[in-house]
Amino acid sequence: AQSVTQLDSQVPVFEEAPVELRCNYSSSVSVYLFWYVQYPNQGLQLLLKYLSGSTLVKGINGFEAEFNKSQTSFHLRKPSVHISDTAEYFCAVKGSARQLTFGSGTQLTVLP
Amino acid sequence: DAGVIQSPRHEVTEMGQEVTLRCKPISGHDYLFWYRQTMMRGLELLIYFNNNVPIDDSGMPEDRFSAKMPNASFSTLKIQPSEPRDSAVYFCASSFNTGNTEAFFGQGTRLTVV
Repeated sequence: AQSVTQLDSQVPVFEEAPVELRCNYSSSVSVYLFWYVQYPNQGLQLLLKYLSGSTLVKGINGFEAEFNKSQTSFHLRKPSVHISDTAEYFCAVKGSARQLTFGSGTQLTVLP
Repeated sequence: DAGVIQSPRHEVTEMGQEVTLRCKPISGHDYLFWYRQTMMRGLELLIYFNNNVPIDDSGMPEDRFSAKMPNASFSTLKIQPSEPRDSAVYFCASSFNTGNTEAFFGQGTRLTVV
């Protein structure tokens, strides 16, 4: 079985400030890790994914995430956020099965 | 490709009525997933198909829920009879038959049962 924990349900941050959204996972097998973003009244859109290789993964819209196997974490970061980054962010894990298991989500609110 | 297409986008129905949600996956994708999103429970996997065959329906909440995939380009999720607690956003997603690929999501159907 696998699970994902997103430690922060809401993260408010001022525009142009850096942000980190935390994600921890548990799994008995090797996993693939994903971050999705959901804008209001929209579906989920892939931000980035970790499959193997370099532990630092770069995605769209200036986001990046670092895979840390020893800490079973996959935190999402952006050095400078914009108002348009306001959305809900989901961390997800895929193990030996084909389905994604999602965390509970983090609402990022960028304040002017 | 136009992506995963779901219909309708919004559905309002009365308690006790039958509701059918529809999904067209991305052409060539072997897997199709149905998720439900609510404030209380977040994103829950209801059921998924591989090559039109249901693989895991353990997430289907009750016998009132059923899903079919008669061919590679169409799937339905049916609720009969519907109840107010079924109100949620239902997402369909599809992916290729490899472990390292992401799932692509539709825009969702917002269901309100009154």
